[in-house]
Amino acid sequence: GAGVSQSPRYKVAKRGQDVALRCDPISGHVSLFWYQQALGQGPEFLTYFQNEAQLDKSGLPSDRFFAERPEGSVSTLKIQRTQQEDSAVYLCASSLEPGQGYEQYFGPGTRLTVT
Amino acid sequence: QKEVEQNSGPLSVPEGAIASLNCTYSDRGSQSFFWYRQYSGKSPELIMFIYSNGDKEDGRFTAQLNKASQYVSLLIRDSQPSDSATYLCAVNGNGNQFYFGTGTSLTVIP
Repeated sequence: GAGVSQSPRYKVAKRGQDVALRCDPISGHVSLFWYQQALGQGPEFLTYFQNEAQLDKSGLPSDRFFAERPEGSVSTLKIQRTQQEDSAVYLCASSLEPGQGYEQYFGPGTRLTVT
Repeated sequence: QKEVEQNSGPLSVPEGAIASLNCTYSDRGSQSFFWYRQYSGKSPELIMFIYSNGDKEDGRFTAQLNKASQYVSLLIRDSQPSDSATYLCAVNGNGNQFYFGTGTSLTVIP
């Protein structure tokens, strides 16, 4: 079946612009996660949804970052007033089970470059 | 102290050898342990997960968990050049977030 998809795959934004990154999880997966991965580092947790509820947003680096999953499937990560330090790959992952203790399947990521 | 520590490598092994990748974690309450493979420019791909102490085998891969030592490892038998990638260890505490290590770069030399 289809895996996790993300769009766009690449995004270049000028400093100060707003961006929206989309994630389509595996159908039927209850849990959805967003991660930020800088070059040479492991993914860093941003936020977690169980269905439409955002149960953990402790990893969001500032109030410029906002995520939603209004109908419990597709999710959008929005970054307002982008800064150069926001340049990274943003990964979305989904998991069949509720909770954060189960295997997660990753999408291809969106590479964001802020100039 | 980081939640999950891995030797960044690079680790080089000849084709056909056993590659051993190691990971330590700091949260003694951690319950779930995962190994992901990440090729350059690609996203992480789940290889194995383990929840209980001991060994878990899947094909050429064996995950080993020692909760008393807070240590998890991945063995790759009969290493192939296609195994060359970065291997990420991920650990999850009871109800807590996934924490990833920075990854170990593995090169299998033909």
